[in-house]
Amino acid sequence: KAGVTQTPRYLIKTRGQQVTLSCSPISGHRSVSWYQQTPGQGLQFLFEYFSETQRNKGNFPGRFSGRQFSNSRSEMNVSTLELGDSALYLCASSLRLSNTEAFFGQGTRLTVV
Amino acid sequence: DQQVKQNSPSLSVQEGRISILNCDYTNSMFDYFLWYKKYPAEGPTFLISISSIKDKNEDGRFTVFLNKSAKHLSLHIVPSQPGDSAVYFCAASARNSNSGYALNFGKGTSLLVTP
Repeated sequence: KAGVTQTPRYLIKTRGQQVTLSCSPISGHRSVSWYQQTPGQGLQFLFEYFSETQRNKGNFPGRFSGRQFSNSRSEMNVSTLELGDSALYLCASSLRLSNTEAFFGQGTRLTVV
Repeated sequence: DQQVKQNSPSLSVQEGRISILNCDYTNSMFDYFLWYKKYPAEGPTFLISISSIKDKNEDGRFTVFLNKSAKHLSLHIVPSQPGDSAVYFCAASARNSNSGYALNFGKGTSLLVTP
């Protein structure tokens, strides 16, 4: 069974641009969550999707948004990029909402210059 | 506001000895706790978990202890092996609250097991 796939693995963008990251969960998993990992803050929860609906959201500005498609694949978008958005963005999938064992992808390393 | 805290950024242990990684939490609604292990350039991988109805869970060399009254949990690795060298994240969730699945992570502890 294939794991969680995130694309692209690496990305370099300039300030003010926008970016879209993609996540394909494990087949059969319907819950997808996104996390931001930075050296100073650890892993911070961004949002969670289940059955194409955002079920939970962390404390991030509205520049961070996401969506989930009918096949459970998810995208995350960041608009008007800032230098501080440079981070590793991790996607995690789980079988059900509130299924606490999450499987993570390798992440997308975003660098904003 | 960091609800899950790992106060030791790093830990060095000799091969064969016990590694003890600690984690404290502040939210009394948390009822499920997990440990994840992360190697560089990889996503975190699930290691072991414990429900708040238990105070100990064991899986091979890994044991997690939960002290609810102290809001403290620890991960014991016995015996430690060089391959255990990684960053360990403690995470907690409040499954019965509106926050559902969302995992609250600590900042991680980097474990180095030396030969």
